[in-house]
Amino acid sequence: KAGVTQTPRYLIKTRGQQVTLSCSPISGHRSVSWYQQTPGQGLQFLFEYFSETQRNKGNFPGRFSGRQFSNSRSEMNVSTLELGDSALYLCASSFGADLGSYGYTFGSGTRLTVV
Amino acid sequence: GQSLEQPSEVTAVEGAIVQINCTYQTSGFYGLSWYQQHDGGAPTFLSYNALDGLEETGRFSSFLSRSDSYGYLLLQELQMKDSASYFCASRTAGNKLTFGGGTRVLVKP
Repeated sequence: KAGVTQTPRYLIKTRGQQVTLSCSPISGHRSVSWYQQTPGQGLQFLFEYFSETQRNKGNFPGRFSGRQFSNSRSEMNVSTLELGDSALYLCASSFGADLGSYGYTFGSGTRLTVV
Repeated sequence: GQSLEQPSEVTAVEGAIVQINCTYQTSGFYGLSWYQQHDGGAPTFLSYNALDGLEETGRFSSFLSRSDSYGYLLLQELQMKDSASYFCASRTAGNKLTFGGGTRVLVKP
């Protein structure tokens, strides 16, 4: 059974550019969440999607957006990149609407560097 | 708002027992999860407590006291491979997790 797949693994972008990150959840998982991980701020919640609907959104500026497709694949977009957006972006998936006792399965992440 | 506090680092020797405490202040609390992350790796789910009490999964156990807004992860019979960062996370509505800052566990021979 394939895990959560994130592409690309590494990305270098210039300030002001935009970037799109992709996440393919485990087959059958309908909930997809995105987290940003940095040494200073730790793991911070970006947003969560379930069956193509955004159910939760974290405290990030509007430059951060996302969507989920009918096959549960998800993308997140960051526009007008800033140096502070450099981070590891993690996607996580779970089966149902309620995380319950099963927890998330995380992907290996996309390491974004903004120069 | 949501906040979770846990120690930043713990060092122990192989075979020892380590307890990582986590205190939280959250509204709409559903339960407390624990995740392990090795350097360069993805977080992996260890355990979840929705109700007060102890949950045991092999060498790892997790405890929750909702009245005290407190939980802990207990690592027994420490092995070198347990050297990693451990995060507590509170679950609120939907599948939103708020993570603590992480505890780096260093296991020495």
